[in-house]
Amino acid sequence: KNQVEQSPQSLIILEGKNCTLQCNYTVSPFSNLRWYKQDTGRGPVSLTIMTFSENTKSNGRYTATLDADTKQSSLHITASQLSDSASYICVVSSVGDSNYQLIWGAGTKLIIKP
Amino acid sequence: DGGITQSPKYLFRKEGQNVTLSCEQNLNHDAMYWYRQDPGQGLRLIYYSQIVNDFQKGDIAEGYSVSREKKESFPLTVTSAQKNPTAFYLCDSSIQPGSEQYFGPGTRLTVT
Repeated sequence: KNQVEQSPQSLIILEGKNCTLQCNYTVSPFSNLRWYKQDTGRGPVSLTIMTFSENTKSNGRYTATLDADTKQSSLHITASQLSDSASYICVVSSVGDSNYQLIWGAGTKLIIKP
Repeated sequence: DGGITQSPKYLFRKEGQNVTLSCEQNLNHDAMYWYRQDPGQGLRLIYYSQIVNDFQKGDIAEGYSVSREKKESFPLTVTSAQKNPTAFYLCDSSIQPGSEQYFGPGTRLTVT
């Protein structure tokens, strides 16, 4: 069964600190892996998209890594800011012979405290 | 000002009433999707459309209906048959299936 598991479920850190969010997946066939940021009550906004051959991708203070062998991804946030408080969602897309699927993780809720 | 819009942001309905959620995009995207988001769960696909006048059921289509008469518009009707309609509904679009998706701001539906 295709699944995306994220950890931790929630995380509280102090402003200025770094943090790393984890995403493990069992999806086949694999097409790409995406990280989204979702502010409370808003739609998700794309942070990064990585294909099978990409190990790392950065978007400002956000850096995503992908290990396709172990089927793990991480999102590292550097020098956190109060505006980073949000849910971070890992999504894996799968493109088969006749269909296309997006498998969504439940997200990690990140709270940045001043 | 290009983008994808959903209206209204908040919607309240009494049980037994049908309600239609609006989703409009001016990005010239072929593919549009409706998701439902519940606390502590990943997004779940309700319906999707890859082209005008065509749409497919997602994982949780029961109690919902859609139409795609225009490329720009993909309204979702939550019918009285939907057992637990209170949720946050998200619409998004992409140039084609598999490409980057752009989400609307969402509609929070409360049914009492």
